[in-house]
Amino acid sequence: SAVISQKPSRDICQRGTSLTIQCQVDSQVTMMFWYRQQPGQSLTLIATANQGSEATYESGFVIDKFPISRPNLTFSTLTVSNMSPEDSSIYLCSVRTGDGYTFGSGTRLTVV
Amino acid sequence: GQNIDQPTEMTATEGAIVQINCTYQTSGFNGLFWYQQHAGEAPTFLSYNVLDGLEEKGRFSSFLSRSKGYSYLLLKELQMKDSASYLCAVEAYGQNFVFGPGTRLSVLP
Repeated sequence: SAVISQKPSRDICQRGTSLTIQCQVDSQVTMMFWYRQQPGQSLTLIATANQGSEATYESGFVIDKFPISRPNLTFSTLTVSNMSPEDSSIYLCSVRTGDGYTFGSGTRLTVV
Repeated sequence: GQNIDQPTEMTATEGAIVQINCTYQTSGFNGLFWYQQHAGEAPTFLSYNVLDGLEEKGRFSSFLSRSKGYSYLLLKELQMKDSASYLCAVEAYGQNFVFGPGTRLSVLP
């Protein structure tokens, strides 16, 4: 299965600022997925990132708030823009592999 | 869309057996996954069921009935390290991979 390197692992940010999260995969993958996991809750899909096209966002998530880049088949970034305390969550990237979905180690974001 | 349901919390004793149920409603079902997530960590893959029946993998087994929209994860010989959240997730054609709410399992000595 794929190995994903995600960074930063955690950050504390001031409200109104932006944070960019990076995921690097050790193999080429068509689709990468970005999830949010709020405290004590399950994972919610934010968007699907395809190389060479605009990301597809789920209901409740918009590009202006969560811009995504996918410059090649092994890398993607998610930016959390104009942050507020409600954005405090764990953000995870994921890829589909032969035996399921593999996740990055997650980014624990705290907005103060 | 998809609708997935799991019990919120379960408690079991070390050495015992526990069954965590998952019910789902979806069209174009393609497969069901079980993940384990320890607090503060990313989910890790446990099992994948596409066809009806039981898949056994060591102490963990997963069962699927597509006609009933039902799956369960069976954990045998429970250990303290099995205390975690267990997430079922459904993959469907033309739809995204959706996670259930998760079941928080506490294993007591």
